Amino acid sequence: AQKVTQAQTEISVVEKEDVTLDCVYETRDTTYYLFWYKQPPSGELVFLIRRNSFDEQNEISGRYSWNFQKSTSSFNFTITASQVVDSAVYFCALRETYNNNDMRFGAGTRLTVKP
Amino acid sequence: EAGVTQSPTHLIKTRGQQATLRCSPISGHTSVYWYQQALGLGLQFLLWYDEGEERNRGNFPPRFSGRQFPNYSSELNVNALELEDSALYLCASSLNLDQPQHFGDGTRLSIL
Repeated sequence: AQKVTQAQTEISVVEKEDVTLDCVYETRDTTYYLFWYKQPPSGELVFLIRRNSFDEQNEISGRYSWNFQKSTSSFNFTITASQVVDSAVYFCALRETYNNNDMRFGAGTRLTVKP
Repeated sequence: EAGVTQSPTHLIKTRGQQATLRCSPISGHTSVYWYQQALGLGLQFLLWYDEGEERNRGNFPPRFSGRQFPNYSSELNVNALELEDSALYLCASSLNLDQPQHFGDGTRLSIL
């Protein structure tokens, strides 16, 4: 069964637009971790954020913000005032603690920011 | 601090051959993870090593194997290579289970 769903395969925006990347997950575990990673064209995955299941506070880091809602099993990522350098594939991931700590990635969302 | 390093960057093999991919974790990290990123298939979990032991493996055939050395570096071995093994193989390391995984640049394996 799909653990992490990123329904948006590709998104294209114009610079300075806000964009939200959706992530929906499923788990039976009560303790789990959620992550977002960025994969620029160079290929290396860059860690952006980690959230544990007990911390539903939203987080803001510069132009990035994350909205974690356990009620809807969602962990959405918003980029405010997007820039060309934000163009990348973004992956949402879930790590369950009961399932031998498997890390399951979503299929990724390719974001293209046009100048 | 050096990040996760992987070698080689590119590897070209033919069907039936064997490939060995190497990974050095961030200093102090004891867990090493391997993932396969095939075109259009996203990241698929392959193997997890911690303190020299294999802790978990993904849904891959036994010809995918590996090991972790006493210095926590790791090797991924793929035997009897098939065309569909062509992919980017990513290695990640973490300090412990609570901490995020940090990834290397990957090894691009091409099977001709």
